[in-house]
Amino acid sequence: AQSVTQLDSHVSVSEGTPVLLRCNYSSSYSPSLFWYVQHPNKGLQLLLKYTSAATLVKGINGFEAEFKKSETSFHLTKPSAHMSDAAEYFCVVSGGGGATNKLIFGTGTLLAVQP
Amino acid sequence: GAVVSQHPSRVICKSGTSVKIECRSLDFQATTMFWYRQFPKQSLMLMATSNEGSKATYEQGVEKDKFLINHASLTLSTLTVTSAHPEDSSFYICSARVTSGGPTDTQYFGPGTRLTVL
Repeated sequence: AQSVTQLDSHVSVSEGTPVLLRCNYSSSYSPSLFWYVQHPNKGLQLLLKYTSAATLVKGINGFEAEFKKSETSFHLTKPSAHMSDAAEYFCVVSGGGGATNKLIFGTGTLLAVQP
Repeated sequence: GAVVSQHPSRVICKSGTSVKIECRSLDFQATTMFWYRQFPKQSLMLMATSNEGSKATYEQGVEKDKFLINHASLTLSTLTVTSAHPEDSSFYICSARVTSGGPTDTQYFGPGTRLTVL
């Protein structure tokens, strides 16, 4: 079975400081991993995805994530937070074992950015 | 590109009535669409997988007779909540997958529909 664990339900940073949102995954197969962002009352937007190519994945809005198989982690980072980054972030795992591309969502991390 | 729309964005209905939610892929064709449900401050839970021209596949615990899904074309899937009750109040989100197959395909999400059943 596949699953993802987002280690922090809430993260608060000051504008201009680095962001780290942690995600660990469990998968019996080579996983595809995603980070999605959801702003209040809005749909989900894909930030980035890992698909067994480069382990360091760059996404939109300055975000990036590194796939570390030895640590089963896929943490999301950004060097400098902006007020507009305040939102809910979901780590997601997909695929493997003939699965029909189902997405398994983590419980989400709410990012607050303080001025 | 890869825009998915949902209609309506918000709906309030009386208990016992049925509500239809539309999901459209605006600039691509999607043989597979997905319906999710999100309770307040919780994650998304997959309800069903909708394939164009065939019956939807429901996740365990989801009543197929209550949540009717029709995927009539490559750009439209509908979810009908039949005989809605207050416990059906939730945020319903659809997604569509670009048709190239494989686990690395990206799902594009709609903006969601907020259903409130009085």
